[in-house]
Amino acid sequence: ELKVEQNPLFLSMQEGKNYTIYCNYSTTSDRLYWYRQDPGKSLESLFVLLSNGAVKQEGRLMASLDTKARLSTLHITAAVHDLSATYFCAARNTGNQFYFGTGTSLTVIP
Amino acid sequence: NAGVTQTPKFRVLKTGQSMTLLCAQDMNHEYMYWYRQDPGMGLRLIHYSVGEGTTAKGEVPDGYNVSRLKKQNFLLGLESAAPSQTSVYFCASSSSFLLAGAKNIQYFGAGTRLSVL
Repeated sequence: ELKVEQNPLFLSMQEGKNYTIYCNYSTTSDRLYWYRQDPGKSLESLFVLLSNGAVKQEGRLMASLDTKARLSTLHITAAVHDLSATYFCAARNTGNQFYFGTGTSLTVIP
Repeated sequence: NAGVTQTPKFRVLKTGQSMTLLCAQDMNHEYMYWYRQDPGMGLRLIHYSVGEGTTAKGEVPDGYNVSRLKKQNFLLGLESAAPSQTSVYFCASSSSFLLAGAKNIQYFGAGTRLSVL
């Protein structure tokens, strides 16, 4: 069974600072996803990473994938309050099933 | 642009009661999924479907049944609700993985908050 671990679980950061969220997965996966969830809301897709070395950027968020290390990172640059949310990574196994990490609850404080 | 629509949004059941959650998508997606989200555990896959008339078990299928009689609809049933099934349920859909270069992004519904007393 594919296991996905995220860390940290909780992250409180000051505005303007940089930080990275880590996502490790246990077995081979051909796709890695990052989602954002605001409190009481649904999940919104941020990035899809399809190959080793893939890097995607959108605004202050940048995601990367290292399939050899089975590691994806979500880097936050110069955090702003609007980025406060819970971020999930998810990996797909060969059987069309998705496995999610437990999420990282990010709070950006002034 | 409805996307993925879940009904109902909220429901309170007594132990032993049954109910059906409906998921409808208008994106002509082949794949549909049901997840539950519990505090501190992320999302866990209950059942999924790769096409009309097909269903498969996910990570936590016990106590649930599903049906996909029409491509656009995916139903999740609880035959005899238990307090352990108190959760937020999300439906999602995506395009087929068989499409070359497909990203297969999952699009999620707004969720159903279920309480079983």
